[in-house]
Amino acid sequence: EDQVTQSPEALRLQEGESSSLNCSYTVSGLRGLFWYRQDPGKGPEFLFTLYSAGEEKEKERLKATLTKKESFLHITAPKPEDSATYLCAVQPSRTPQGGSEKLVFGKGTKLTVNP
Amino acid sequence: EAQVTQNPRYLITVTGKKLTVTCSQNMNHEYMSWYRQDPGLGLRQIYYSMNVEVTDKGDVPEGYKVSRKEKRNFPLILESPSPNQTSLYFCASSLHQGTGELFFGEGSRLTVL
Repeated sequence: EDQVTQSPEALRLQEGESSSLNCSYTVSGLRGLFWYRQDPGKGPEFLFTLYSAGEEKEKERLKATLTKKESFLHITAPKPEDSATYLCAVQPSRTPQGGSEKLVFGKGTKLTVNP
Repeated sequence: EAQVTQNPRYLITVTGKKLTVTCSQNMNHEYMSWYRQDPGLGLRQIYYSMNVEVTDKGDVPEGYKVSRKEKRNFPLILESPSPNQTSLYFCASSLHQGTGELFFGEGSRLTVL
């Protein structure tokens, strides 16, 4: 069964204190791994797509990396506005029956950055 | 502005009273999907549609119906809501099938008493 586990569930940082969020996955072939940001009361907002081990993507203070079994979201010198829940999702490879259009989401890491 | 619009945003209803949550996107996206988000369970897919008149079940389709008569609209129908359908619902769309880069709506919080 395809599964995504995110850790930690919650993380508190001081402004400027860099850290990483983890997303480990088991999937029957990986088409893509996705990171989303979700603010309270809002829908998830797409951040990154990673397709193959070794790939990295960056956006402002965020950098996402991918290995064969996990992905990391590195946050460098975070600011209070980076506080949000970060969701990881994987897209399994296509099944013999055709498309695999669903994403399997993890439960998220709630990040709080204190000023 | 590119967006996915859901209505209503908040709804309290009673068991058995049929309701529809509308979803509309203005990006000419082919693919649309409904998710529910519950504490401790994360986002789970209810139904998806790869194009007009093409819909399929996700992981938790029981108790829900959908239709895709127009490309921009993908309503979620609860024929006879029950308390276990109390949840936060999200509609999402993407340019085409097979991409995980989804645009999400703002969410619809549904309470079934």
